[in-house]
Amino acid sequence: SQKIEQNSEALNIQEGKTATLTCNYTNYSPAYLQWYRQDPGRGPVFLLLIRENEKEKRKERLKVTFDTTLKQSLFHITASQPADSATYLCAPEFGNEKLTFGTGTRLTIIP
Amino acid sequence: NAGVTQTPKFRVLKTGQSMTLLCAQDMNHEYMYWYRQDPGMGLRLIHYSVGEGTTAKGEVPDGYNVSRLKKQNFLLGLESAAPSQTSVYFCASKEDASNYGYTFGSGTRLTVV
Repeated sequence: SQKIEQNSEALNIQEGKTATLTCNYTNYSPAYLQWYRQDPGRGPVFLLLIRENEKEKRKERLKVTFDTTLKQSLFHITASQPADSATYLCAPEFGNEKLTFGTGTRLTIIP
Repeated sequence: NAGVTQTPKFRVLKTGQSMTLLCAQDMNHEYMYWYRQDPGMGLRLIHYSVGEGTTAKGEVPDGYNVSRLKKQNFLLGLESAAPSQTSVYFCASKEDASNYGYTFGSGTRLTVV
């Protein structure tokens, strides 16, 4: 079965710096991959989707890359702010319209 | 728009009791999903539906049943609750088979004692 690994459970970044989160998967590549944000006690919120034939996607201060050779997606938050502190989930889609979620990386932006 | 609404938000059950979790969406979405989230395990898919009247098993379906009699509602049933079903349950929906993101509800925190 597919295994999704997100680089670390927790990541602390200084305000204003770029936060980079990693998502690695095994076996075959997904058709597309999504990133979500989850705050404590809340449901995940969709942020970005990138398809297997796309190298990069941007939305405001967010950027996602997708490297099918490395079997990896990187999620970047530039000019990070304390309000960006949350858990970020990687979710590839390997077929049949079902997402497989990683365990998440808890990001803390330090003022 | 309310989006995805889950009821109840919290529930404590005794082992062996049954209950139904309700998920309602007002966005006319075709696809609906039930996930459970446990510490260190991430979100795991229980059951899902690709349209009214359809259901399919996900990664961890044992001990759960679902029904999608109306397009806007997706019910998750626990026939005989076990402590291992203590978890936070999330419902999500998606517009159709295109590459759209999911809209999640705020979750139901279930404790089985």
